[in-house]
Order: sequence, then structure tokens, then C-alpha cells
Amino acid sequence: RKEVEQDPGPFNVPEGATVAFNCTYSNSASQSFFWYRQDCRKEPKLLMSVYSSGNEDGRFTAQLNRASQYISLLIRDSKLSDSATYLCVVMDSGYSTLTFGKGTMLLVSP
Amino acid sequence: DVKVTQSSRYLVKRTGEKVFLECVQDMDHENMFWYRQDPGLGLRLIYFSYDVKMKEKGDIPEGYSVSREKKERFSLILESASTNQTSMYLCASSFPPNNSYEQYFGPGTRLTVT
Repeated sequence: RKEVEQDPGPFNVPEGATVAFNCTYSNSASQSFFWYRQDCRKEPKLLMSVYSSGNEDGRFTAQLNRASQYISLLIRDSKLSDSATYLCVVMDSGYSTLTFGKGTMLLVSP
Repeated sequence: DVKVTQSSRYLVKRTGEKVFLECVQDMDHENMFWYRQDPGLGLRLIYFSYDVKMKEKGDIPEGYSVSREKKERFSLILESASTNQTSMYLCASSFPPNNSYEQYFGPGTRLTVT
């Protein structure tokens, strides 16, 4: 059974803080990895893809460790608008179906 | 702009009713998906489709069926609704694998079965 595990949180941080989320996945054959963001009562939206070499998009940095089957997301200089649930997502080989983690909730306070 | 729409935001049905949830995308995507999202369980895939008239079971297909008669439309059918099907239902679409894996989601339908 494919599984993606995340700490549900919530992570409570002040504005300007740096926060990191981690995720592990069970299927060693998984091929692609993503972080999605879901605001309260809204649909999930792609935040960023995760590559083996690591990738950065502004204040967000994603890392992949295939040997440990571990994915991370780092958010620097947190903003109030970063408050959301962050979903770790894994795509296996073959059909492009996605397996979603249950999400980590982030609450950024003034 | 990418758009996935769902027929209803909120729906209340009685046990045993037949329920249709409609999803339409305007991006000419070939892949379409139906998920349900429940507290503590996350997003779970019910059915998906890679082409017109084609369907594949996801992780939790029991109690559901789907229909894809046109490329832009993917319907989820609850043949006889039960209270354990009370949930948020999310539709998504994406390009084929050689283009992009990003899935675009509709706003969701919150279904209550009483």
C-alpha cells in the first residue's frame, strides 16, 4: 500500500520565522514529488515540484532524499498569508496518479 | 486561465438516493480525477480517466461509478447514497504525463447524506 506520511501539526510560528516540514513516502519506485498548498475551505493548488538536486522558489526551498525516501519544504521569512495546509504529494510510475499526504497545517501569527 | 468547475458547492441528499456530481474542465486536459477528502484521512482517489469512455479504479471505488462521455466532462455517480459517503468531493484534471503532472482542482462539492 502506497503511503505518504506527514506531521499534521499545527505548526504555530511568528511572522518572519523559518519553518520546515518533512514527509516520508513508502514506495521506493516513486518517480515525482510535489508540494501542494490548501487554504481553509479551498481546493489544493500546486506550490512546487521537488527535484533530486533541490529547488528554490523565492522563500520556499524543497529537497528530496531518495535514499531515505524523504521530502522537505523550508519556508523562510514566514508571512501571514503562508497560513495553510501543506500537502506532500508523490507520483508513482505508470499512470500519473498522485498519492497525497494528509497535510501539515501552518499558522503564522503577527 | 485554467478552470475546473463542479456542479454544486453544497448538496444534501437522503440515504438511498442516486447522486450525480458533475465536473467540467475547459483546458482540453485528457486526464480527469475524482477524490474525496475527509478530516484525518486526507485526499483519496476514487476513480480516474485518461480518455473519453475510459475509466480506472482508484484506491476507494466501492459505492461509486463514473462516466466520461465527453473529454471535458467527468461525472461521479453514487448509485445509492449512504451516510458514510458524506464528504468533500474534489475533481481534478491534468495533461498527459509527457506534458505536465500538475493537477488542477475544482472548488469541491460538500455532500451531506442524511
